[in-house]
Amino acid sequence: DAGVIQSPRHEVTEMGQEVTLRCKPISGHNSLFWYRQTMMRGLELLIYFNNNVPIDDSGMPEDRFSAKMPNASFSTLKIQPSEPRDSAVYFCASSLGGRQPFFGQGTRLTVV
Amino acid sequence: AQSVTQLDSHVSVSEGTPVLLRCNYSSSYSPSLFWYVQHPNKGLQLLLKYTSAATLVKGINGFEAEFKKSETSFHLTKPSAHMSDAAEYFCVVSPSSNTGKLIFGQGTTLQVKP
Repeated sequence: DAGVIQSPRHEVTEMGQEVTLRCKPISGHNSLFWYRQTMMRGLELLIYFNNNVPIDDSGMPEDRFSAKMPNASFSTLKIQPSEPRDSAVYFCASSLGGRQPFFGQGTRLTVV
Repeated sequence: AQSVTQLDSHVSVSEGTPVLLRCNYSSSYSPSLFWYVQHPNKGLQLLLKYTSAATLVKGINGFEAEFKKSETSFHLTKPSAHMSDAAEYFCVVSPSSNTGKLIFGQGTTLQVKP
């Protein structure tokens, strides 16, 4: 299995632009998580899905952030409009049946 | 509420000496606990996990951790550090047994000196 696949690996964008991060979970996994990692706040859970349904989005910082999971093999995290403080590494992870999640390599986002 | 506290933000050891990374947890019931490792510019890799079976858990790369309920601790150890162990280590608690949702500690940076 290729593991959790995230794209792009790096993204540099200008403030105010829309940013879309993509994630392909491990085939067969039924839970998907989006985390954000910053120096100041460490790793924070933004949102997680179970069987494609958003279960807990209490970690999503603002209405500028939205996440979708249209099917079991794809999810997106969108930021519109982006701001410099959104600069971070965004990780996607997937798991099966409550077992430990497996993480992707992350997307390093820089908003200038 | 569940939480984890990693007691050291930075640990420095010499190659070949023991490693101890400390973690305390708070949980209202028997938790699932994990240690993840993150090498520079890499994703997170699971080192080991505790899920209410044996209290001494062995992981990859010679690491192990002991669950001590009386001390609410889950410290990570390794008898002999290698240069390749230099990384960020995260102690993690799962507040629910059926979602895979994780709560991360702040991380401990392990430096290994030659």
